[in-house]
Amino acid sequence: DIQMTQSPSTLSASVGDRVTITCRASQSINIWLAWYQQKPGKAPKVLIYKASTLQSGVPSRFSGSGSGTEFTLTISSLQPDDFATYYCQQYNSYSLLSFGGGTKVEIK
Amino acid sequence: EVQLVQSGGVVVQPGGSLRLSCAASGFTFDDYSMHWVRQVSGKGLEWVSVVSWDGGSKYYGDSVKGRFTVSRDNSKDILYLQMNGLTTEDTAFYYCAKDSESHYRNSWHYFDHWGLGTLVTVSS
Repeated sequence: DIQMTQSPSTLSASVGDRVTITCRASQSINIWLAWYQQKPGKAPKVLIYKASTLQSGVPSRFSGSGSGTEFTLTISSLQPDDFATYYCQQYNSYSLLSFGGGTKVEIK
Repeated sequence: EVQLVQSGGVVVQPGGSLRLSCAASGFTFDDYSMHWVRQVSGKGLEWVSVVSWDGGSKYYGDSVKGRFTVSRDNSKDILYLQMNGLTTEDTAFYYCAKDSESHYRNSWHYFDHWGLGTLVTVSS
């Protein structure tokens, strides 16, 4: 099974900050990675898939990069609506699916 | 508009059984694999199970293998999760989720739509 490790687990930031979250896979997953945002009491919402493709309707301040085993999610200028928990998920071909442990973005 | 409507929350005793349902609309249900994902309150997401578009392939996470069974009724556009041998560690929100790609049987993708979740509480 492929293990996904996210860092940091918690991040304190201010509105306007540039924020970067890292996700590492235990083996190469090529570009088969998605990022989700989850707010309290709500289902997750996909932000990015195929490591860097922005889901329709997602603001352009969100971006993703990486391939192989190292990936990043960047929020270029943090907005009040972005305080949430973020998860990565791998979907490597013919492997079972798995999520990272999550990164909670808090107000500094 | 894609909608995934899940059954209501329940309380069940340890060792008991429960069947969750997820009614789909707004897309061609029998074109897509469907998944179950769970989340213990305050914790991370855990992928639970998947059933392929035609019901021919089913896979499970290690923590539920042998106890949970996923199925689907393509004539009614409903996804199910039969949960047996429940323990307190199965207490969680259970989400159904739609696979992003159509007509795959043994390869899965990301989740482009989610249900609102069902709270399952296992307690005596």
